[in-house]
Amino acid sequence: EAGVTQFPSHSVIEKGQTVTLRCDPISGHDNLYWYRRVMGKEIKFLLHFVKESKQDESGMPNNRFLAERTGGTYSTLKVQPAELEDSGVYFCASSPGRLGAATDTQYFGPGTRLTVL
Amino acid sequence: AQKITQTQPGMFVQEKEAVTLDCTYDTSDQSYGLFWYKQPSSGEMIFLIYQGSYDEQNATEGRYSLNFQKARKSANLVISASQLGDSAMYFCAMREDTGRRALTFGSGTRLQVQP
Repeated sequence: EAGVTQFPSHSVIEKGQTVTLRCDPISGHDNLYWYRRVMGKEIKFLLHFVKESKQDESGMPNNRFLAERTGGTYSTLKVQPAELEDSGVYFCASSPGRLGAATDTQYFGPGTRLTVL
Repeated sequence: AQKITQTQPGMFVQEKEAVTLDCTYDTSDQSYGLFWYKQPSSGEMIFLIYQGSYDEQNATEGRYSLNFQKARKSANLVISASQLGDSAMYFCAMREDTGRRALTFGSGTRLQVQP
């Protein structure tokens, strides 16, 4: 079974440009999450999809970030316009969602390293 | 608000020895789950082990075990018989069973296994 995949693995852009990150969850997983780790700080939650619906977007830092999950499959996270402080590693995770919340393990992708110059 | 504390930024261990990575947590909920993830230098986050707050026995997965002390609010990861491939960052994480599924992570511990 394929794991969570993310594209690209690295992205280097200039301040003010737009970047779109993509996440393909494990097949059949209804839940999809975005997290990010900025400059050695803790990994922070951004948002959570259940199928195509945003269940929780309380971690989104501002309106420069837009996440979508069309058709409940893959998800994109767009940063527009990118700022220097957006640099970091963006992780995507997915979980089945069929068990009780506590045992619904999240499986992570390899992350996208974003550098904003 | 939930919080995870990992007080060991870095740890060294000799190959074949056991090592304990500390994790303490703070929550006002009675029902929650605790997770450990491993992040090798390649970058991916690998799920290692899970402990539910109502589980009476400590979780074990192969060489990994979780020393869960609920009263102390600690969930330390024990790796037995360390291998060179265990060198990585290790993150402790928690999720409360309130319906919100976001994981809260600690700052991580970098483990280096020496031959």
